[in-house]
Amino acid sequence: QTVVTQEPSFSVSPGGTVTLTCDLRSGSVSTSHYPSWYQQTPGQPPRTLIHTTNTRSPGVPERFSGSIIGNKAALTITGAQADDDSHYFCALYLGSGIFVFGGGTKLTVL
Amino acid sequence: EVQLVQSGAEVKKPGESLRISCKGSAYSFTDYWINWVRLIPGKGLEWMGRIDPSDSYIKYSPSFEGHVTISADKSISTAYLQWSSLKPSDTAIYYCARGSIVVVGRDSWGQGTLVTVSS
Repeated sequence: QTVVTQEPSFSVSPGGTVTLTCDLRSGSVSTSHYPSWYQQTPGQPPRTLIHTTNTRSPGVPERFSGSIIGNKAALTITGAQADDDSHYFCALYLGSGIFVFGGGTKLTVL
Repeated sequence: EVQLVQSGAEVKKPGESLRISCKGSAYSFTDYWINWVRLIPGKGLEWMGRIDPSDSYIKYSPSFEGHVTISADKSISTAYLQWSSLKPSDTAIYYCARGSIVVVGRDSWGQGTLVTVSS
């Protein structure tokens, strides 16, 4: 079974920079997986931050950026703000029309 | 403004059937895939499957195939997710998202439908 792994939790100070990663247990993540990133706050629908590796969804602040670092997809938040305290999920396209989400990272800003 | 509006919360008993909906507006409904995503608080997001409303081509996650049915009626810009026999483990929030061939949610998500299955 395909497993996509993310750090379960991460902390960052206000104004700091943090990079969350998204790994594929069975191999390397590449642009061919078209990684996307979503912010999910309790009581709210998911919010698309990044899709196709590094394209910001409309209205998403520039402090959010996506990339491939090594063999993982990465979401970098530069200049973290208090309302970035949330859950972050990545999703990968596995081909043949199939997607899978990672387990999510709880980011704490304090 | 592009919107996906989902049907309201449901409370059902095990074994009952259910269909929830997702209506798109302010865009060409047949130009984007509709994905269905499950959220169980504390367990994260799970991709369930998707439909191309232009031809009703459907792809299911292996984890959900056979347990749910996805459909769409392009004439009313609405996608559906249905169960023929609900289980308590189906209790969750279900979201629809406007996607592309390689993206689950490009931009717009529905507000979510809470489904509670309990005897």
